[in-house]
Amino acid sequence: DIQMTQSPSSLSASVGDRVTITCQASQDIYNYLNWYQQKPGKAPKLLIYDASKLETGVPSRFSGSGSGTDFTFSISSLQPEDIATYYCQQYDDLLFTFGPGTKVDIK
Amino acid sequence: EVQLVQSGAEVKKPGESLKISCKGSGNSFASYWVAWVRQMSGKGLEWMGIIYPGDSDTKYSPSFQGQVTISADKSISTVYLQWNSLKASDTAMYYCARLISVSGGYFDLWGQGTLVTVSS
Repeated sequence: DIQMTQSPSSLSASVGDRVTITCQASQDIYNYLNWYQQKPGKAPKLLIYDASKLETGVPSRFSGSGSGTDFTFSISSLQPEDIATYYCQQYDDLLFTFGPGTKVDIK
Repeated sequence: EVQLVQSGAEVKKPGESLKISCKGSGNSFASYWVAWVRQMSGKGLEWMGIIYPGDSDTKYSPSFQGQVTISADKSISTVYLQWNSLKASDTAMYYCARLISVSGGYFDLWGQGTLVTVSS
């Protein structure tokens, strides 16, 4: 099984700050890495797919990069509505693993 | 608008059986894989398994194999998640999600979630 790690597990930043989250896979997953946002009491929402492609309708302040085993997710200018937990997720031939999540809040 | 609509919250006793559902709108429901994802209170997302409603081909996470059954009825655009004997540890929110698989695979559409509470 492919394992996913995320760091940090939580962070606190000011409005307007750049926020960066990293995700590491236990083996090469090419660019089969996706990022989701989950707000309290809500279903997850897809933000980034295939490591760097922005889902339709998602603000451009969200971005992703990486390939192989190391990936990065960024929010260029943190907004109050971005308070949420962010999860990475890998895909490997109809087997899926989510990272443990990163909780983002406002300082 | 394409949606996944899940059945309502359930409260069950340990040892009871349960089947929850996820109904899709749109004519192409049978053409997409649909997954189930568990989220225990205050915890992260866990992929449980996935089914292709067109032919009911199913794949389970090793962690959930033998613990649950995923099925589908393509005639009514619905997938199911079933337990034969619930445990308190099955208490969680359960989400269904549609898979888009072109090169990789990602979940672009999610149900609203079904809260399952198992308590004596």
